[in-house]
Amino acid sequence: EAGVAQSPRYKIIEKRQSVAFWCNPISGHATLYWYQQILGQGPKLLIQFQNNGVVDDSQLPKDRFSAERLKGVDSTLKIQPAKLEDSAVYLCASSLWVAGDSYNEQFFGPGTRLTVL
Amino acid sequence: GDSVTQMEGPVTLSEEAFLTINCTYTATGYPSLFWYVQYPGEGLQLLLKATKADDKGSNKGFEATYRKETTSFHLEKGSVQVSDSAVYFCARSNDYKLSFGAGTTVTVRA
Repeated sequence: EAGVAQSPRYKIIEKRQSVAFWCNPISGHATLYWYQQILGQGPKLLIQFQNNGVVDDSQLPKDRFSAERLKGVDSTLKIQPAKLEDSAVYLCASSLWVAGDSYNEQFFGPGTRLTVL
Repeated sequence: GDSVTQMEGPVTLSEEAFLTINCTYTATGYPSLFWYVQYPGEGLQLLLKATKADDKGSNKGFEATYRKETTSFHLEKGSVQVSDSAVYFCARSNDYKLSFGAGTTVTVRA
C-alpha cells in the first residue's frame, strides 16, 4: 500500500516570497492533517480536513497560511508571504474515519523541509 | 490545554543498554497515548499505543504502560540496538487531535 506522498521534499525561499506544498494521502483516507514541526519541537497541528471540509484550523495563521482540499483527496498548503519563523518541516498525515473511535491512527508523509532566508 | 512533556535529550547509549524515556501528560478527558518514532530521513511512524488506563503498548521490544495515577507513559526497552537510533515522540489524543511532546533524540553506539 502506498504511503502518504509529499512534495517537494526541500524548499528554500527568501522572506516575503510565496511557497506551496502538496500532499497525496493514502487512498481511502477521509481525514487529512497538516502539521508544522519547528526544529527541536514536536509537530503542531495546523489544519485538519474531513473529506473536503475543514474540521479544525484554530492554529493556522490565517493571515499568511491557507490550505485546501477541493476534491477531498489531494491537499495543498500555501504560505504567502513567508517569514523567517516559518522555517520548519511541514508534515502531512492521513487517517481513516471510523465513527465512534476516539482516535484513528494517523499515517505521516516524509515532510517538506522549508528554509526561509 | 492538552499537553505532553517528555524527557529532554539527547540520549546516548551503548548497544544492549537499557533505555527509558519519560513522558507525562495533562489529565483532561480520556486520552489515548502514543509513542511515535522518526528514523533518520523518514517520516513519523507509530511505535505503540495504549487507549485506557493500565494498558500496555508494545512493539519491537519497546513497552509503555498507561499510568493514570501518575499521568505517565514512559517508554522502555531492555536492550537497545544501533538501529534504534531515532527521535522518539510521546503524544496524546483527544477528540481525534494529536498533541506531541518535543521529542527525544536517542543515539545508540556500537
